[in-house]
Amino acid sequence: QKEVEQDPGPLSVPEGAIVSLNCTYSNSAFQYFMWYRQYSRKGPELLMYTYSSGNKEDGRFTAQVDKSSKYISLFIRDSQPSDSATYLCAMIERNNAGNMLTFGGGTRLMVKP
Amino acid sequence: AAGVIQSPRHLIKEKRETATLKCYPIPRHDTVYWYQQGPGQDPQFLISFYEKMQSDKGSIPDRFSAQQFSDYHSELNMSSLELGDSALYFCASSLTSGRPPYEQYFGPGTRLTVT
Repeated sequence: QKEVEQDPGPLSVPEGAIVSLNCTYSNSAFQYFMWYRQYSRKGPELLMYTYSSGNKEDGRFTAQVDKSSKYISLFIRDSQPSDSATYLCAMIERNNAGNMLTFGGGTRLMVKP
Repeated sequence: AAGVIQSPRHLIKEKRETATLKCYPIPRHDTVYWYQQGPGQDPQFLISFYEKMQSDKGSIPDRFSAQQFSDYHSELNMSSLELGDSALYFCASSLTSGRPPYEQYFGPGTRLTVT
């Protein structure tokens, strides 16, 4: 079983919808939580990061972390066709010297005009 | 703003050949990471370097080696290539000293095809 689980989708929504993307994890040592967006054949692009339970908002994006449930979410408001991409959650362990990212499998999102 | 540069962008090799991938981090970044992403998979961590010293090692085959040079660029050397090595190879960089560890910025990747 992977340390970080993510529904692969695809998730198809109409333009303007609120999108909810989720990851669960099993390693309680994960302390830093990130969301990356990856367009086809491109490198992952850092969208948001957080290290505490609760919500963090940045424009149309809200990242939510629930450490007690080992569950993180990314919400996208007013979704646009340009949001169509694969969204990867990623985590770093506390005190990991190398800061290696452990990724979820990614969720493919399609926003239809 | 300057980004991570990787070269070459595409590489085609035959089985048992060798390949060298290069990564030029964002200026002033002191840490480089290498990730491998197979078709339809998430990136898997291979190896990282901080200030030219290996800082962590993941699922990197013994056939692969890497190093970081004095100018902070890094090279991933791959020998005895196998068909299963065909993947996207990403380099990421970060400024680690006194900074949070989550600000890792990825390059565009090198697509390696082994035939």
